[in-house]
Amino acid sequence: AQKITQTQPGMFVQEKEAVTLDCTYDTSDPSYGLFWYKQPSSGEMIFLIYQGSYDQQNATEGRYSLNFQKARKSANLVISASQLGDSAMYFCAMRPNTGTASKLTFGTGTRLQVTL
Amino acid sequence: GAVVSQHPSWVICKSGTSVKIECRSLDFQATTMFWYRQFPKQSLMLMATSNEGSKATYEQGVEKDKFLINHASLTLSTLTVTSAHPEDSSFYICSARKRGLTDTQYFGPGTRLTVL
Repeated sequence: AQKITQTQPGMFVQEKEAVTLDCTYDTSDPSYGLFWYKQPSSGEMIFLIYQGSYDQQNATEGRYSLNFQKARKSANLVISASQLGDSAMYFCAMRPNTGTASKLTFGTGTRLQVTL
Repeated sequence: GAVVSQHPSWVICKSGTSVKIECRSLDFQATTMFWYRQFPKQSLMLMATSNEGSKATYEQGVEKDKFLINHASLTLSTLTVTSAHPEDSSFYICSARKRGLTDTQYFGPGTRLTVL
């Protein structure tokens, strides 16, 4: 079974600053994928970034980067140069690469508030 | 990118009626779609995995006869909430798996169901 832990229920960051959202995971699968999604107040889940367990380099997508530390089982999301539009819920998720179900396991989320 | 639509975005119905929610992948084919339910300020709860051309796989505790899922084509899955009751009121959100290196799930905008 997989488990995702997001210990920060809420975070504040000032506009233009960087912020790190924590995510730790637990799995017995040797191969897996890690995802981050953003959910604004409208409700839609927006895919942000993906990290494969065997990827040698940390994933980056624009202002988003993933600080992947496999030995610590952590996959923290770093948002650089925060914008007001970044205010939203952020969910970390994991999917094993074994089997065909491809089911995602989600964390409880972190609510990010960007302030002026 | 990958776009998933969901219709309707919100619906209000009387207790005892049935409601159908459609989930479409607009620019890719999806042999697998997923249906989630989300309660306020909580994470997503997977209800079922919808497989094109075969029966859906339901998660433990989800009533198959209550939540009917049909995946008739590679771009369309439907969720029908039968004989809806107020406790079925929730935010329902679907996702479609885009096959590829990352097998990312792309989400629809969600449907807010209110049963009176």
